[in-house]
Amino acid sequence: TQLLEQSPQFLSIQEGENLTVYCNSSSVFSSLQWYRQEPGEGPVLLVTVVTGGEVKKLKRLTFQFGDARKDSSLHITAAQPGDTGLYLCAGVNSNYQLIWGAGTKLIIKP
Amino acid sequence: ETGVTQSPTHLIKTRGQQVTLRCSSQSGHNTVSWYQQALGQGPQFIFQYYREEENGRGNFPPRFSGLQFPNYSSELNVNALELDDSALYLCASSPGGSGRTEQFFGPGTRLTVL
Repeated sequence: TQLLEQSPQFLSIQEGENLTVYCNSSSVFSSLQWYRQEPGEGPVLLVTVVTGGEVKKLKRLTFQFGDARKDSSLHITAAQPGDTGLYLCAGVNSNYQLIWGAGTKLIIKP
Repeated sequence: ETGVTQSPTHLIKTRGQQVTLRCSSQSGHNTVSWYQQALGQGPQFIFQYYREEENGRGNFPPRFSGLQFPNYSSELNVNALELDDSALYLCASSPGGSGRTEQFFGPGTRLTVL
């Protein structure tokens, strides 16, 4: 069974701080996606990383795919209250199906 | 371009009842996936439909069933509801085709089983 473990499960920090969320697995994925979900809404795709070692930037968010395509990280620089939400990683398996992590609940306090 | 829509938004049922949830996919998308999301957890894959055929199923019992229609909209049916079925049910559509895995989610249906 393929599993994705996210850490931390919960993070509460002050505005302006930096943070990193991790997504780890013992399985290799063809690609990995990061989503953000706000209360009462469905997840919204932020980025897809495909190549081992790939780094993608989305404003203050930096996403990295591990060299072996088993893990990924999301780094947020100078967090803002608008970054608050549930961050989910999802690995794409060989059947093009998504294997989801349990999510990291992020709260940015003003 | 119309996004993914789901109905109803909220639903309350009692144990043993049956429920049907509906999803309209985004224009041009032929693949629909259904997920169950418990509070504070990530989504759990129920099944996926591609061009009206089931195209993969997660670890859910047979009382969870689905349909996809020629216009690619979809239904999720759950029979003999149990208390643990209380969750947010998410529908996601995607363009389909080899390697196209980006999924676009609807707002979900919040099901409460009493």
